[in-house]
Formats: sequence, C-alpha cells, structure tokens
Amino acid sequence: DGGITQSPKYLFRKEGQNVTLSCEQNLNHDAMYWYRQDPGQGLRLIYYSQIVNDFQKGDIAEGYSVSREKKESFPLTVTSAQKNPTAFYLCASSIGTGSTVYTFGSGTRLTVV
Amino acid sequence: AQSVTQLDSQVPVFEEAPVELRCNYSSSVSVYLFWYVQYPNQGLQLLLKYLSGSTLVKGINGFEAEFNKSQTSFHLRKPSVHISDTAEYFCAVSVALRGFKTIFGAGTRLFVKA
Repeated sequence: DGGITQSPKYLFRKEGQNVTLSCEQNLNHDAMYWYRQDPGQGLRLIYYSQIVNDFQKGDIAEGYSVSREKKESFPLTVTSAQKNPTAFYLCASSIGTGSTVYTFGSGTRLTVV
Repeated sequence: AQSVTQLDSQVPVFEEAPVELRCNYSSSVSVYLFWYVQYPNQGLQLLLKYLSGSTLVKGINGFEAEFNKSQTSFHLRKPSVHISDTAEYFCAVSVALRGFKTIFGAGTRLFVKA
C-alpha cells in the first residue's frame, strides 16, 4: 500500500545533539512537508519542498534543517540550535502544492533528556 | 492573511448524542476547506473536504460539514457519535493562490463518554 513512513516512532535526544527524523513516501507525490505539533497549538509548518533539490522555510524553521535529494525522501534534522525540540513531528505529502489534500505519516515523538 | 479558528478546544459528549465542532476562517480570496482527524500518537487522516459545488459535504465515518460563505464557517457535525470517535479534529484552510498556503486550526479534542 502507498503511504508515508516516519521513523523512528520515538526518539530521545541529549542536550547539544543533532538528530535526524526520517520521512519516506511511495505515493509519487511532488510536495513534502514537516510540521511540529505541540499541545493546544495545532500544527506549525517547519519546512516544505515542492520538488527535488528545492525546499522553503515555513513559519518556524529556526533550529531545523532539511534536504530533498530524492523525490521519496525528506529528512528533518533537529539541530542543537533548536532550544525547545521536545514535540511531536509530522511529515506530510501532496501531489503538488496546487493539490491541497495532504497524506500524513504517523509521526515521531522527540524528547530531550 | 488567512486564519483559522476552532472555537472549542475540548468537546465532551455522551455516546449516541449529536455533536458539532465549530470552525471559522478568514480570507480575502477563495478557499478550500478540510477537516482532518487524529487518533492518539498517529498522523492526521482526511475526514472530508470542500473544494467547490455543494456546500454540504459528506465524509467518512458518518461526518458531514457545511460551508457557509456568509458566515465564513465550516462546522463539522455527526448526528450520533460513538466511543471510537474520540480523537482530535483539525480544521484546515487552503487558499487558491500562486504556490500554496494551508493553515491548520489549533484542534478540537472530542471526548465521547459512555
């Protein structure tokens, strides 16, 4: 079945470490997105990519980085510059940015220890 | 600028009772409207969408929503809820501009009690 796979499901990070969250899709979607979810704040856009080798900052990009070397993959790195990284991270994709129906992965819960 | 407001952060309701989850938006251009559902520790799933045409939209799991342009609302309804409907529900607005812009509301937690 087609879908989006996020891994790992749970991730623990020590202070000062960079960690990378994986997002892979086999839907042949052009656009991919990373959202951060905190209780009571809904979803906030971190980065998005419309095509391979191109990506744009969202509303809360500071302390995060991404790459889009393959159509299927859009990994997110949470750097040590992100001061409050504990959150639930969701990856999504859509056919294109003109198509506004999103397919979401099951999320990665990141906790700083 | 566009915005989405979900008017209730939590809605407790008894099983088999009707429910309405409220969503208002603001936009100066035409919009597409969506409701997504999120079960604990999972991603979001599309419940229903309004792109054009009939203002009453039916979705999965017996949910429906009505687009009211004059009131700029897109409230979600279900005539009889089940325990399994307990989840968080997100309203989302996407504007038909060059590029993309989708904004999600803060979410409404529906809690169905036996």
